[in-house]
Amino acid sequence: QIQLVQSGPELKKPGESVKISCKASGYTFTDYAMHWVKQAPGKGLKWMGWINTYTGKPTYADDFKGRFVFSLEASASTANLQISNLKNEDTATYFCARGDYAYWGQGTLVTVSS
Amino acid sequence: DIQMTQSPSFLSASVGDRVTINCKASQNINKYLDWYQQKLGEAPKLLIYNTNSLHTGIPSRFSGSGSGTDFTLTISSLQPEDVATYFCLQHNSGYTFGAGTKLELK
Repeated sequence: QIQLVQSGPELKKPGESVKISCKASGYTFTDYAMHWVKQAPGKGLKWMGWINTYTGKPTYADDFKGRFVFSLEASASTANLQISNLKNEDTATYFCARGDYAYWGQGTLVTVSS
Repeated sequence: DIQMTQSPSFLSASVGDRVTINCKASQNINKYLDWYQQKLGEAPKLLIYNTNSLHTGIPSRFSGSGSGTDFTLTISSLQPEDVATYFCLQHNSGYTFGAGTKLELK
């Protein structure tokens, strides 16, 4: 069956970096883009951008340009989200979602605290 | 950028009630509007795509309607398992989520 499995929760200090993975299975990885969505605690969903899993080209929403990097390990059917120079406001659950939004990862909670 | 205004923010209804949730786009988004259900601690789940197409496995009490800028999610007969937060998503130009509607049982 189709699954997106994300890496586990992270606790980081301000200024550190974090890398979240999203491993896809049950379909051809390069047939669909991978999107990333942020959900701050108790808040709504915010679209971060997407990566073309065939070409590797990322597209970032305006609020996520600069410290956020989407990447692939295509041979492993895995998409990654790296956030550098973490800030308190990056504390959130981050979801990956297949390009048709029919399948989502379970979410990865990133907590940024000194 | 397209803005999505979702209403109401909070909704309390009884089992068996007909429930409607609305999303209004700041400009024409054609039919490119999806609806999601998110239960506490879970990932969002796709209910309706492209305004009115029911996703696989979703009960027929869920339906969507609208066009252009105004869209509606309807639950024809509310069930206890429908308690959740509901979000709309436009994907006509970029992607924008609505702020969400928290649905509770009265």
